[in-house]
Amino acid sequence: EPEVTQTPSHQVTQMGQEVILRCVPISNHLYFYWYRQILGQKVEFLVSFYNNEISEKSEIFDDQFSVERPDGSNFTLKIRSTKLEDSAMYFCASSVNPYNEQFFGPGTRLTVL
Amino acid sequence: KNEVEQSPQNLTAQEGEFITINCSYSVGISALHWLQQHPGGGIVSLFMLSSGKKKHGRLIATINIQEKHSSLHITASHPRDSAVYICALLYGSNYQLIWGAGTKLIIKP
Repeated sequence: EPEVTQTPSHQVTQMGQEVILRCVPISNHLYFYWYRQILGQKVEFLVSFYNNEISEKSEIFDDQFSVERPDGSNFTLKIRSTKLEDSAMYFCASSVNPYNEQFFGPGTRLTVL
Repeated sequence: KNEVEQSPQNLTAQEGEFITINCSYSVGISALHWLQQHPGGGIVSLFMLSSGKKKHGRLIATINIQEKHSSLHITASHPRDSAVYICALLYGSNYQLIWGAGTKLIIKP
């Protein structure tokens, strides 16, 4: 069964460093999403992406964040200069179209020291 | 303000019990998504529905669009059902998901 994959599963970084979180969505899906979940809190929407551009972003998704689909399979989230409060689980998801169910990757746990 | 409220926040039940988790919301939506988050953190989609009722195995989800309310039921609950159950609203012109806080379910053997 096709699934969304994410790498790495756990990333530890120093404050101020850049990180890139990687996702491989399901191959025939066209809509891609990033969410984050701070420990003990609810999941929060970050950004949605379609046709090589951002279709929606939340207020969390400031200039420190960027997304890219560098090739036909990967979808990346870059945090330019990490802050302590960026420590969270980051989930990637994909869907065939925006009103169908989304399929989630296993998440990347980001720890900023 | 919370566009989506779930109840209860926590639920502990004995194996075999019938479980109901509720989700109320205050905005117009395209659809509602029920998801399960395992203790390890992974998120699994259970249902997406915009009207009526859906059933998958021991899970049943219902939605009443007029009353802005949805329920997730689990029949013959089992310890492996222990997880956090989250409702999320599919909302807005770009269909972003607005997430509830989740209901933590523990089923005791």
